[in-house]
Amino acid sequence: DAGVIQSPRHEVTEMGQEVTLRCKPISGHDYLFWYRQTMMRGLELLIYFNNNVPIDDSGMPEDRFSAKMPNASFSTLKIQPSEPRDSAVYFCASSLALAGGYEQYFGPGTRLTVT
Amino acid sequence: AQSVTQLGSHVSVSEGALVLLRCNYSSSVPPYLFWYVQYPNQGLQLLLKYTSAATLVKGINGFEAEFKKSETSFHLTKPSAHMSDAAEYFCAVRRGTASKLTFGTGTRLQVTL
Repeated sequence: DAGVIQSPRHEVTEMGQEVTLRCKPISGHDYLFWYRQTMMRGLELLIYFNNNVPIDDSGMPEDRFSAKMPNASFSTLKIQPSEPRDSAVYFCASSLALAGGYEQYFGPGTRLTVT
Repeated sequence: AQSVTQLGSHVSVSEGALVLLRCNYSSSVPPYLFWYVQYPNQGLQLLLKYTSAATLVKGINGFEAEFKKSETSFHLTKPSAHMSDAAEYFCAVRRGTASKLTFGTGTRLQVTL
């Protein structure tokens, strides 16, 4: 079975540019989560969706960050404009509430470097 | 509020020695608890989970964890460390009735010859 798919795996961009990260959750999962991981702050939950609807975006750092989930099989995290402090690994994860276990399955991550 | 505390940001063991990674939780309701492993340049992978069934939970790669309510602990163990176990390990707890998880700060396991 295909796991969570993220693209690109690596992104290098210049400050001020727009960055779009993409995620395809596991088929049939009803929750999707976006995380950011840095050495300084560890793993942070940015936003999560249930059935394509954003439930909690309190972790989104600034208005420069936005996330969408237009359908059950696709989500994007956009940063506009990007800044060097946005450099991090961004993970997408999905879960199935009906399964009752609440475990999340993570993608391989996108390593973002903003110069 | 539900939270987890991982004691020790770095743990070093010799190959073949016992691995013990500590996790204590805080939860106002019966918790769902998880251990994840992260290998370099990879995402987090579920090792095992506790969902109020058996208190001793067996996971992948020979790991297991025991839920102890009296100690509010969920420590991860493996009888004999292997070099391939070197990674970062995260304990997590489900936040209340939501589907969010709260992750600990992680413990980096080093395995030496």
